[in-house]
Order: sequence, then structure tokens, then C-alpha cells
Amino acid sequence: GAGVSQSPRYKVAKRGQDVALRCDPISGHVSLFWYQQALGQGPEFLTYFQNEAQLDKSGLPSDRFFAERPEGSVSTLKIQRTQQEDSAVYLCASSLIAQGRANTGELFFGEGSRLTVL
Amino acid sequence: AQSVSQHNHHVILSEAASLELGCNYSYGGTVNLFWYVQYPGQHLQLLLKYFSGDPLVKGIKGFEAEFIKSKFSFNLRKPSVQWSDTAEYFCAVNPPSGGYNKLIFGAGTRLAVHP
Repeated sequence: GAGVSQSPRYKVAKRGQDVALRCDPISGHVSLFWYQQALGQGPEFLTYFQNEAQLDKSGLPSDRFFAERPEGSVSTLKIQRTQQEDSAVYLCASSLIAQGRANTGELFFGEGSRLTVL
Repeated sequence: AQSVSQHNHHVILSEAASLELGCNYSYGGTVNLFWYVQYPGQHLQLLLKYFSGDPLVKGIKGFEAEFIKSKFSFNLRKPSVQWSDTAEYFCAVNPPSGGYNKLIFGAGTRLAVHP
């Protein structure tokens, strides 16, 4: 399809397990974002890629969270040793252009990966 | 702390009623402002955005928002809502810190429109 695709849509993990969430952005989109959305809250910024470069990872909550986009297209968010507080919907978004004051582009969001940690 | 505040978490309206959803932010400097909408079972999508110029911006489906710089506000309005407007609405700010790299979202407002 033409939109942002995320997989898996649902993931149940036992506490302590590692998980990997995948994002396929819209083809040709330069910018890629990961957000975390807890129940009843708005999306919270995790990290931003411009092509393969991770320009901002200030929102990653701990060193258990790691994101990569090695070839500037598909991205993976990895969470090591999952904890119950990691339970949330993880949203990926992409944008055609690089971000900046005068050219912040419209973000196209995927449907999210819902992670439940037991 | 810097934040984006949406005043109403839940709003219930009848069809044809007017809508205004409040949004205030506490970031300094020149910001970009957005409203996103999430219809039931769908992904977030852009409703409208403000970068500069006319502070009254019009978006899709008859929505509009007004930027009032002195009040740090960007309220969303629609003169007459429809049942199909039932959704969750998120205000978002793109602050200058970090080079405008991120959108900061409010907690959202769930709108239910009854026929």
C-alpha cells in the first residue's frame, strides 16, 4: 500500500523479553519518527531520523530503547528487557522532507504497534 | 515545564452544534502549530496547520483554527458538527528547540457527536 506500514500490529511480551517493532515508511520519505502513546495520552516523541541519520533521540526513555534505520528506509525500534511500563502503542510516522523551521512537513502516521508487557 | 494543554478530555455534542476545542502551549519562540485527528479504527491524520501569516487557518472538512500569539492558544472550531466528526483530536506544537525536529502532542480530546 501507499501508507506507512507497521508490524506487528499487536505484540504480547513477557517482562524481560526483547521486542522489535518494524516500520515501513512511505517510499521516498526522508524523515521518520517514532512516538509512544500510552493509554489515554497523546503521542510522545521518541526519536527522529533524517534518512539513515538519527538526529534526535532525546525522547528515548532509557538505554533499553534503541532505534535504527540503516538504509534510510525501513526502521526498527528495539526494546530490550521489556518492563510493564513499556506497554503502549508505538507509532511510526514519515514525512517527505527534512524537518526545519520553514518546512516542517505533514507527518503520515502508521496504525501503530500495540505492545502489552505482562 | 513546557507542554501542550488541551482543556477538554471528552466532549459530547449533538449534530449541528458548534464546536470549539481549546489548546494552549507553553513554548517560547516561533512555533508551528497543528491539529491532528484520529477517527475510530484509523491512523492519525493532519487536519490543519499554521506556520505563519493569517492566524485563522482553514483545514479539511470545514474545520478552522485561530492562532492567538498573546494567549499562546490555537483553538479548533467547527460551526456545525456532523456524526462523522466523532473522533479524537490532538493539538500539536513544533517548537524551535532541537531544530523543529519533533511534534509535541497534547493529551487529546475525544469528541462524540450524537445524531
